Amino acid sequence: EVQLVESGGGLVQPGSSLKVSCAASGFTLDDYAMHWVRQAPGKGPEWVSGISWNSGTIGYADSVKGRFTVSRDNAKNSLYLQMSSLRVEDTALYYCAKDNYFRAWGQGTLVTVSS
Amino acid sequence: EIVLTQSPATLSLSPGERATLSCRASQSVSGYLAWYQQKPGQAPRLLIYDASNRATGIPARFSGSGSGTDFTLTINSLEPEDFAVYYCQQRSNWPITFGQGTRLEIK
Repeated sequence: EVQLVESGGGLVQPGSSLKVSCAASGFTLDDYAMHWVRQAPGKGPEWVSGISWNSGTIGYADSVKGRFTVSRDNAKNSLYLQMSSLRVEDTALYYCAKDNYFRAWGQGTLVTVSS
Repeated sequence: EIVLTQSPATLSLSPGERATLSCRASQSVSGYLAWYQQKPGQAPRLLIYDASNRATGIPARFSGSGSGTDFTLTINSLEPEDFAVYYCQQRSNWPITFGQGTRLEIK
């Protein structure tokens, strides 16, 4: 069974940094591109970042470019999102998702940016 | 960035009726379009990919059509569990984008 489990969210102040992680199981991670998608309360999903199977192709939404960094460790079956210079508008549930169509999602980890 | 516009914003129908949801892209996405269903407190679930292919485990009453800039999700004979929010998503160009959603509610 495919499972994605996000962790590392929390309450942080504006301007601070946070790293969220996604642990994958039930499939071979290095067969797939992976993505981070966020959803602010009461809003639709927003793509944040994507990374190809070998990290050769990486992309970011304009709203996070220069502040967020995606990475993966296929040997550890893990995906990461390093977030810096966090803003109030980054507050959201952060999901990791499998493949370029998001065929599987985790339960999300909540990031709250507030003073 | 490719903008996806969904219509209507809200659709009120009764169980057993047919739902037709639209998604229009600001430029061609070829066939690289997906549809998701989201219920409260849950992550979105992939229904349709490549415009017309049902994802694993998705009932046959869900179908997708279209190419280029105009796409449709059709749900035949609505079941009570189908009332939810539906999003389209394109993967033709990065940044990947979603539509703003259509809420399907019980009439």
